[in-house]
Amino acid sequence: EPEVTQTPSHQVTQMGQEVILRCVPISNHLYFYWYRQILGQKVEFLVSFYNNEISEKSEIFDDQFSVERPDGSNFTLKIRSTKLEDSAMYFCASSLQQGQETQYFGPGTRLLVL
Amino acid sequence: AQSVTQLGSHVSVSEGALVLLRCNYSSSVPPYLFWYVQYPNQGLQLLLKYTSAATLVKGINGFEAEFKKSETSFHLTKPSAHMSDAAEYFCAVSDRYNQGGKLIFGQGTELSVKP
Repeated sequence: EPEVTQTPSHQVTQMGQEVILRCVPISNHLYFYWYRQILGQKVEFLVSFYNNEISEKSEIFDDQFSVERPDGSNFTLKIRSTKLEDSAMYFCASSLQQGQETQYFGPGTRLLVL
Repeated sequence: AQSVTQLGSHVSVSEGALVLLRCNYSSSVPPYLFWYVQYPNQGLQLLLKYTSAATLVKGINGFEAEFKKSETSFHLTKPSAHMSDAAEYFCAVSDRYNQGGKLIFGQGTELSVKP
């Protein structure tokens, strides 16, 4: 069964450094998402992406964040200058359509900012 | 604005007992509702979803949920718990008119199953 994959599974970085989290969505899916979960808190929506454009972004998704689909298979989340509060589990998801369509989630990347 | 509340961050049941995980939502428009499960070190997996067809929705692994508009609830049930059901469960809502398709999640409920 097709699945969403994410790399790396864990990343440790120093405050102020740039990180890129990578995702490979399911191949025929058209909508892509990033969510994050700070330890002990809710899973929070960050951004949705369709047709090479951001469809919607949350208040969390400020100028330090960017997303890109650099080729036909990868979907990346870049954090330009990491802060301590960016430490979280980051989940990528994809769906064939939006709305009632199921979003399929990857296993997540645990980011620790020191 | 939409929101989801899951009552009980931890629920413990005995094997073979009824599982009931509670979810209440707030939405100004008819929502889509989802239950996801997360096993340790894995991503979120869809259990079931409500998209305005039947109000009683059956999902994988014997789980089901009933959409009750009058109570703004979408509680998850399973008649008989199995040890393998131990996991974290998330209720989520999506606005059917939202172009971005974002999911809004509840806090999650960790289910423990005792032998």
